[in-house]
Amino acid sequence: NAGVTQTPKFQVLKTGQSMTLQCAQDMNHEYMSWYRQDPGMGLRLIHYSVGAGITDQGEVPNGYNVSRSTTEDFPLRLLSAAPSQTSVYFCASSLRAANYGYTFGSGTRLTVV
Amino acid sequence: AQTVTQSQPEMSVQEAETVTLSCTYDTSENNYYLFWYKQPPSRQMILVIRQEAYKQQNATENRFSVNFQKAAKSFSLKISDSQLGDTAMYFCAFMRYVSGGGADGLTFGKGTHLIIQP
Repeated sequence: NAGVTQTPKFQVLKTGQSMTLQCAQDMNHEYMSWYRQDPGMGLRLIHYSVGAGITDQGEVPNGYNVSRSTTEDFPLRLLSAAPSQTSVYFCASSLRAANYGYTFGSGTRLTVV
Repeated sequence: AQTVTQSQPEMSVQEAETVTLSCTYDTSENNYYLFWYKQPPSRQMILVIRQEAYKQQNATENRFSVNFQKAAKSFSLKISDSQLGDTAMYFCAFMRYVSGGGADGLTFGKGTHLIIQP
């Protein structure tokens, strides 16, 4: 099993550009979520999904869109990148049993110039 | 909404010593889950230990154990016989219980940078 795979690992965008951060898991996990990590801020929840076709907003959803058309994939879209979105982005997935805990991908470092 | 507070931005101990990282949280939920994650310089988030709020017994995983005080809303992590490989950021995280056995997103503290000195 590959676990949670995030692509790309690094990305530089210009202000106003759009892009999609990819996240895929092969563990048949129902729950998936996206976080951003900024220096001194810990990780903050952007969006999450409890199954295919179901998504919900987290703490910092503005400027990001998500969709969940399959169990395996949970892409994060930046519609019009801003320097404030410079961050490290993590995708995570979990089994339906909540106490299992989330498994994280290796992260994407995004820089918006 | 939940909040998680880690009051120690950085800690440093000698190898083989025991160290305790503090975490407090605020919630109106009665059922929830608590986690400690480790983030080494590689950036990978690694689950260290988990605790269900309805369990009174403190969780242990080898050298890692927690002191869970539900009434005080405290969830500290104790690392025994610390090793150089324990050097990392440690994050405390909260997840509320969703009826039907579901999961929710995690709320993280800001982290504690733990340095193990040789």
